[in-house]
Amino acid sequence: AQKVTQAQTEISVVEKEDVTLDCVYETRDTTYYLFWYKQPPSGELVFLIRRNSFDEQNEISGRYSWNFQKSTSSFNFTITASQVVDSAVYFCALSEASPHKLSFGAGTTVTVRA
Amino acid sequence: GAVVSQHPSWVICKSGTSVKIECRSLDFQATTMFWYRQFPKQSLMLMATSNEGSKATYEQGVEKDKFLINHASLTLSTLTVTSAHPEDSSFYICSWGGYTEAFFGQGTRLTVV
Repeated sequence: AQKVTQAQTEISVVEKEDVTLDCVYETRDTTYYLFWYKQPPSGELVFLIRRNSFDEQNEISGRYSWNFQKSTSSFNFTITASQVVDSAVYFCALSEASPHKLSFGAGTTVTVRA
Repeated sequence: GAVVSQHPSWVICKSGTSVKIECRSLDFQATTMFWYRQFPKQSLMLMATSNEGSKATYEQGVEKDKFLINHASLTLSTLTVTSAHPEDSSFYICSWGGYTEAFFGQGTRLTVV
């Protein structure tokens, strides 16, 4: 069974619009970790955030913010005032152990048009 | 964060030849390694897990005789794609399993012609 679901395949917005990427996960473990990565066309994975299951505080980092809700098993990601440089594929991932072995979602391709 | 060096960044090889991909941690040591594969426009899928000093564990559907993993030391792991075929063309990326974060290499784009 898929552990991480990113239902949105592609999102296209105009610059300065806000973008919210959905991520729903599934696990039976009480201790787990959630990640978001950005993958630009060059292919490398850019780490954005890691959150453990005991920390439900939402987080803001510049134009990025994350909403973690255990009640709905969701870990959504919002880009505020999007820019062309935000165009990339974004992956949500789950790790149920340390060292971190990740189960990735299918990814959401974000295209920001000028 | 920790630095992981993976090379080559890209490689083109002829069908039937073997290709070796290196993944090196530059500033830390770790016993556990993960190798992932990503086909075009798809997600990253775990191929195998290796621990230094023991054999790699392969995910279901991954041929262990085709994808040879050598976890030579706490700072070096290699993936060799043996007798490569066009269907092996993919993006391969390594990850050293940290306890606070997963540290990824830059990835290797393999094209088999």
